[in-house]
Amino acid sequence: DAGITQSPRYKITETGRQVTLMCHQTWSHSYMFWYRQDLGHGLRLIYYSAAADITDKGEVSDGYVVSRSKTENFPLTLESATRSQTSVYFCASSDARQNNSPLHFGNGTRLTVT
Amino acid sequence: GENVEQHPSTLSVQEGDSAVIKCTYSDSASNYFPWYKQELGKRPQLIIDIRSNVGEKKDQRIAVTLNKTAKHFSLHITETQPEDSAVYFCAASKTSYDKVIFGPGTSLSVIP
Repeated sequence: DAGITQSPRYKITETGRQVTLMCHQTWSHSYMFWYRQDLGHGLRLIYYSAAADITDKGEVSDGYVVSRSKTENFPLTLESATRSQTSVYFCASSDARQNNSPLHFGNGTRLTVT
Repeated sequence: GENVEQHPSTLSVQEGDSAVIKCTYSDSASNYFPWYKQELGKRPQLIIDIRSNVGEKKDQRIAVTLNKTAKHFSLHITETQPEDSAVYFCAASKTSYDKVIFGPGTSLSVIP
């Protein structure tokens, strides 16, 4: 859906560098999520946010930082990238105002750490 | 926290046959069980979901069943077609909009 966009689509960075992945949604959804996808592990939750200024850790949060100063943005920062963080990262959002709102995913960011 | 297991990890079926993917979850507080389909290079997309107060749900060739007592749920695809080839993820959460925990995925191949 065009309503949730991730940038960049592809990123190559070096070990030890800081890198930020951006996620922007236009629906005013209250919930936003970051997942990483690796072969054999499916989609693993990194961090999520129920509203602006509220964030919670997911299953694999070590080495990642998030912020949610505005409802529409949920950037994910790798403070010091490691090769194990090479992955495809998906941002998603959902609408707590609707009882049947599923996750809406962005197109993903493929990150390679060399 | 919630843990979702999924089997098999890969599945090959002949076109027209049925495919079944099974999942288990650990948190008895989970009430919402969606299934997502991910085609190669694309984002995951919801194909069907079921809530804990329902035992079965159908949508054309796709059906899901839920056994809350046993903490099992399954996806059934009948009359498979080549375009059903994808990775399928089961998941569990307390509500549809809250954090969703995914299983590791099943790669389904439908052979023409």
